Amino acid sequence: QKEVEQNSGPLSVPEGAIASLNCTYSDRGSQSFFWYRQYSGKSPELIMSIYSNGDKEDGRFTAQLNKASQYVSLLIRDSQPSDSATYLCAVSHTGNQFYFGTGTSLTVIP
Amino acid sequence: EPEVTQTPSHQVTQMGQEVILHCVPISNHLYFYWYRQILGQKVEFLVSFYNNEISEKSEIFDDQFSVERPDGSNFTLKIRSTKLEDSAMYFCASSDKNSNQPQHFGDGTRLSIL
Repeated sequence: QKEVEQNSGPLSVPEGAIASLNCTYSDRGSQSFFWYRQYSGKSPELIMSIYSNGDKEDGRFTAQLNKASQYVSLLIRDSQPSDSATYLCAVSHTGNQFYFGTGTSLTVIP
Repeated sequence: EPEVTQTPSHQVTQMGQEVILHCVPISNHLYFYWYRQILGQKVEFLVSFYNNEISEKSEIFDDQFSVERPDGSNFTLKIRSTKLEDSAMYFCASSDKNSNQPQHFGDGTRLSIL
């Protein structure tokens, strides 16, 4: 059984702070890792993908991957109220399907 | 920016009836997927489709489910005899390359079974 675990939160940070979101996965053969943002009642929206160990930065977002620890994280710098959403970690093995975590609810307080 | 389009946005159906959910993937994408999300729960994979056939399916995707690409643009999910527990948000997604590429999601169809 391929599991993806996330702390459901809620995580609250003040505006301008760094939000740190974490995800662990069980399948050591996983190759691709994605962060999606989901607003309430809406569809998942891709934020970042990461495939190799280390950091990947895109604007205010940084994804970090550590395959040895089976851990992937997302940092959001200068958090804005519009960042308030549920953040979904998705992991892909060699197949086509994504395994999603339950998501972490983030609230950015103005 | 190209989008995955799903219709209808909300479908209400009597238990036991058949329902077809429609999706138009991004035009140059070759890989298509259906996921569902029961209210308050995680997004769950149902099926992936490539080259006019199912490439993977989950244990949720039993005999009451089927998918079809009836023409060059549409990708449908049929549920033959709906149950109350089929009530969920159904998302279609597509990607342009092989597995492990980002998947782009449509806005979803909210299916309510009465």
